[in-house]
Amino acid sequence: GENVEQHPSTLSVQEGDSAVIKCTYSDSASNYFPWYKQELGKGPQLIIDIRSNVGEKKDQRIAVTLNKTAKHFSLHITETQPEDSAVYFCAARLMEYGNKLVFGAGTILRVKS
Amino acid sequence: DVKVTQSSRYLVKRTGEKVFLECVQDMDHENMFWYRQDPGLGLRLIYFSYDVKMKEKGDIPEGYSVSREKKERFSLILESASTNQTSMYLCASSLTGTGRYEQYFGPGTRLTVT
Repeated sequence: GENVEQHPSTLSVQEGDSAVIKCTYSDSASNYFPWYKQELGKGPQLIIDIRSNVGEKKDQRIAVTLNKTAKHFSLHITETQPEDSAVYFCAARLMEYGNKLVFGAGTILRVKS
Repeated sequence: DVKVTQSSRYLVKRTGEKVFLECVQDMDHENMFWYRQDPGLGLRLIYFSYDVKMKEKGDIPEGYSVSREKKERFSLILESASTNQTSMYLCASSLTGTGRYEQYFGPGTRLTVT
């Protein structure tokens, strides 16, 4: 089955710096890769996603890149702010299971002011 | 906005008790999911449902069952709670259709089994 590995497990950056979180997946047929942000006491919330026919997508300070050949995708956050501190999860959609997603283990991002 | 609500934010139960976790979504989504979240393990799928009265096992179904009698409601049942089921439980929903893969999550229920 699909396996998604996420690194690093924790990441501390200074306010204003960039943060990068990387994920690799195993099923070359996967075609949808969302990123979720989970703030303390809340459920995960979709922040950006990318489909397999696109190499990069941006939304203000966040961007996601996808390398299908290498089977990895990354989340980039620029000009980090304290409110970016949260747990971030990547996921990949299994083609043969409809809308099932397989999630990475999560990255705790701390932005120090 | 899609809204997914869960019946309790915090729950404390004793070993051996039968536990019901309820989830309701208000956007007419066909698919509903139950996950458990544990530190370092991410979100693991327990069960999902793609239609009323339909259910499929996820990756860790042992010790759990589900019920979906109405489209908007998906219940997770712990038949006999055990301490290793202490966890955060998250419900999610999504549409069916090509390109419609986004899952929307509820706030979670933190269950403690003593």
